[in-house]
Amino acid sequence: EVQLVESGGGLVKPGGSLRLSCAASGFTFSSYNMNWVRQAPGKGLEWVSFISRNNGQIHYAESVKGRFTISRDNAKNSLYLQMNSLRAEDTAMYYCARDIAATYWGQGTLVTVSS
Amino acid sequence: EIVMTQSPATLSVSPGERATLSCGASQSVSTNLAWYQQKPGQAPRLLIYGASTRATGIPARFSGSGSGTEFTLTISSLQSEDFAVYYCQQYNNWPPITFGQGTRLEIK
Repeated sequence: EVQLVESGGGLVKPGGSLRLSCAASGFTFSSYNMNWVRQAPGKGLEWVSFISRNNGQIHYAESVKGRFTISRDNAKNSLYLQMNSLRAEDTAMYYCARDIAATYWGQGTLVTVSS
Repeated sequence: EIVMTQSPATLSVSPGERATLSCGASQSVSTNLAWYQQKPGQAPRLLIYGASTRATGIPARFSGSGSGTEFTLTISSLQSEDFAVYYCQQYNNWPPITFGQGTRLEIK
């Protein structure tokens, strides 16, 4: 069974940092491109970042470029999102998702940026 | 950036009836268009990709159509579990991958 489990969310002050993780199981992680997608409370879906299966391609939404860094460790079946210089508008549920037309999503981890 | 626009924002339909949801793109996305369903407190669920291909396990009452800039998701006979928010997503011209703002399908 395919599973994606996010962790690392929490309450952080503006300007702070967090590192999100997504543990993958039930499939060959190294064969799939991965994404982070977020959803602010009561709002729609916003794509955040993409990483190709072999790290050859990385892309970011303009809203996070220069502040967030996506990475993966195929040996550990894990996806990461390092989030720096956090702002109130980064408050959201963060989902990892497999592929671009994403068949599999994690349950999300909540990031709250507030003083 | 391709802007995706969904209409209506809210759609009220009775169980057993047909629901038609629309999604427009600011420029052609060919058939690189997906539809998702999201229920409260849950992650999105992929329904349709390639504009018209149902994802694994999705009931046949869900169908997608369209190409270029105009797309439709049709639910032929609404079941109680279908009342949710629906999003379209384009992945033709990216980054960025972009979503519509969503259509809330509610019980009439």
